[in-house]
Amino acid sequence: NAGVTQTPKFQVLKTGQSMTLQCAQDMNHEYMSWYRQDPGMGLRLIHYSVGAGITDQGEVPNGYNVSRSTTEDFPLRLLSAAPSQTSVYFCASSSGGSNQPQHFGDGTRLSIL
Amino acid sequence: GENVEQHPSTLSVQEGDSAVIKCTYSDSASNYFPWYKQELGKGPQLIIDIRSNVGEKKDQRIAVTLNKTAKHFSLHITETQPEDSAVYFCAASTGGFKTIFGAGTRLFVKA
Repeated sequence: NAGVTQTPKFQVLKTGQSMTLQCAQDMNHEYMSWYRQDPGMGLRLIHYSVGAGITDQGEVPNGYNVSRSTTEDFPLRLLSAAPSQTSVYFCASSSGGSNQPQHFGDGTRLSIL
Repeated sequence: GENVEQHPSTLSVQEGDSAVIKCTYSDSASNYFPWYKQELGKGPQLIIDIRSNVGEKKDQRIAVTLNKTAKHFSLHITETQPEDSAVYFCAASTGGFKTIFGAGTRLFVKA
């Protein structure tokens, strides 16, 4: 059982470039979420999804897009990368929204130059 | 909006001693309080959680207490070991779809 898989593990972008961070889970969880982790700020919710075709904004959604076409996959898109988006990004899933334990991937470390 | 404050930001203990990490939350509707451990280069992993209808929960060397009146909850680790060294996050959820995390505590256990 792989759990939550994130790719790539590391990425360096130039300002203005776009990219997609991939997230896949094999636990058949309906709820998936994206967080960013910055020093001294814990994890902040970017977007979440409660099932295929349904997404909503978290605390810090600006500059990011998501879609959920299947239960397994929940990609995060940066349309025009900015240095302020330099961070470590974590994808998570759970069987019952935010009131159940979340299973996290190992993260994508993203640097924007 | 909901806010979770976590203290201390850094904690250093001797192997075998106890470690306590404290969190406060602002939204009285919060009813689920998980604790996560994050090791270097890894994602956070749930170590224990507590719901608002329970005051205390224990799992071997780890315990969590909840004071709903004061909106405080704490993580207690007894008989600490070097492998307990990591970053610990508390979190709170109101039962919707958003979890608010504390800023984290970096725990060092000295052998």
